Amino acid sequence: DAGITQSPRHKVTETGTPVTLRCHQTENHRYMYWYRQDPGHGLRLIHYSYGVKDTDKGEVSDGYSVSRSKTEDFLLTLESATSSQTSVYFCAISEGTSGGQETQYFGPGTRLLVL
Amino acid sequence: AQSVTQLGSHVSVSEGALVLLRCNYSSSVPPYLFWYVQYPNQGLQLLLKYTSAATLVKGINGFEAEFKKSETSFHLTKPSAHMSDAAEYFCAVMNTGFQKLVFGTGTRLLVSP
Repeated sequence: DAGITQSPRHKVTETGTPVTLRCHQTENHRYMYWYRQDPGHGLRLIHYSYGVKDTDKGEVSDGYSVSRSKTEDFLLTLESATSSQTSVYFCAISEGTSGGQETQYFGPGTRLLVL
Repeated sequence: AQSVTQLGSHVSVSEGALVLLRCNYSSSVPPYLFWYVQYPNQGLQLLLKYTSAATLVKGINGFEAEFKKSETSFHLTKPSAHMSDAAEYFCAVMNTGFQKLVFGTGTRLLVSP
């Protein structure tokens, strides 16, 4: 298994509160990604990072921000959580050296419930 | 923009029967294609990937997929289903030179005894 951990694994929070999810990797991979998984939508990319302090938006980035101050950590922040952000969040990593044919490896996921 | 369509949100088979999960892609350039499997309450695990080296790709757990450019398809098959194959399967596409995957909506495979 790829060395990816996510914390917390489960979280319940209230509407309007800030929430930060953490992804940690031990593979020294360049690329890191945050996805959300919802029934009927598959996985959708929220944000990704292609290096320390280098990030970009994905398909569903509204309401989310990210930071990457170290190669191994990628943080996803919900500035003010809403019920529509109830979802399962997955982090993924890839080496980022072969121009797009690389496998992305996924973490175990964080289940977030916003009440 | 590239996309994938997975036909059938649920597929039911009997143990020992052929498994066929359908994936069609839309891409303006030759794509890289992936199949992932997700077991309950787990992350996604790569089954196989197509990167233009060979049109028939063999993956883990006896699965394989064939890339058919004329049909823009990358269907996943397994000759004989096992109970342990029950899971959700996702097809995904990535364009050459990019690092972003676009996923289909997934197909849940149910295997009955």
